[in-house]
Amino acid sequence: EPEVTQTPSHQVTQMGQEVILRCVPISNHLYFYWYRQILGQKVEFLVSFYNNEISEKSEIFDDQFSVERPDGSNFTLKIRSTKLEDSAMYFCASSGGLVGAFFGQGTRLTVV
Amino acid sequence: AQKVTQAQTEISVVEKEDVTLDCVYETRDTTYYLFWYKQPPSGELVFLIRRNSFDEQNEISGRYSWNFQKSTSSFNFTITASQVVDSAVYFCALSEAGANNLFFGTGTRLTVIP
Repeated sequence: EPEVTQTPSHQVTQMGQEVILRCVPISNHLYFYWYRQILGQKVEFLVSFYNNEISEKSEIFDDQFSVERPDGSNFTLKIRSTKLEDSAMYFCASSGGLVGAFFGQGTRLTVV
Repeated sequence: AQKVTQAQTEISVVEKEDVTLDCVYETRDTTYYLFWYKQPPSGELVFLIRRNSFDEQNEISGRYSWNFQKSTSSFNFTITASQVVDSAVYFCALSEAGANNLFFGTGTRLTVIP
């Protein structure tokens, strides 16, 4: 069964460092997303990406965040200068249509 | 503005009991989609179901069933004969037509006691 894969599963980084979270969406999907879940809280939308550009983003997705699809298979989330409050589980998702997303297993980011 | 309310923060049931997880939503759109996701202790989000606002037919999949009632803006999820493996956090989510993001509720933590 096709699935969304994310690497790494856990990343520890020092405050102020740049971090890149990687995702391989399901191969025939066209819509890609990043969501964030602070420990014990709800899942929050960050950004959606379609046709090689951002289609929608939330207030959380400020200038320190960026997304890229560097090749035909990967989808990345970059956080330029991490803060303690960026510690969370980051989920990548993809979908073949406008609604209904399949999520990866998440990357737990810990900023120390 | 969209809103999803899962009033039950935590529920505990004994194995084999039935349990219903409540979800109430708010939206101004007439076209929207509702979802349930399961988040087991391992942390991933597992897609369970999607319904569109024009389809109020209840759905059953094995031990899972969903009751969608537009009149009360609710999309409740029932697990019959619960099992320990059902222990997880369950999220209800809403997507409005024209928006391609999901708006999640705060989740209900279900614990099934053997």
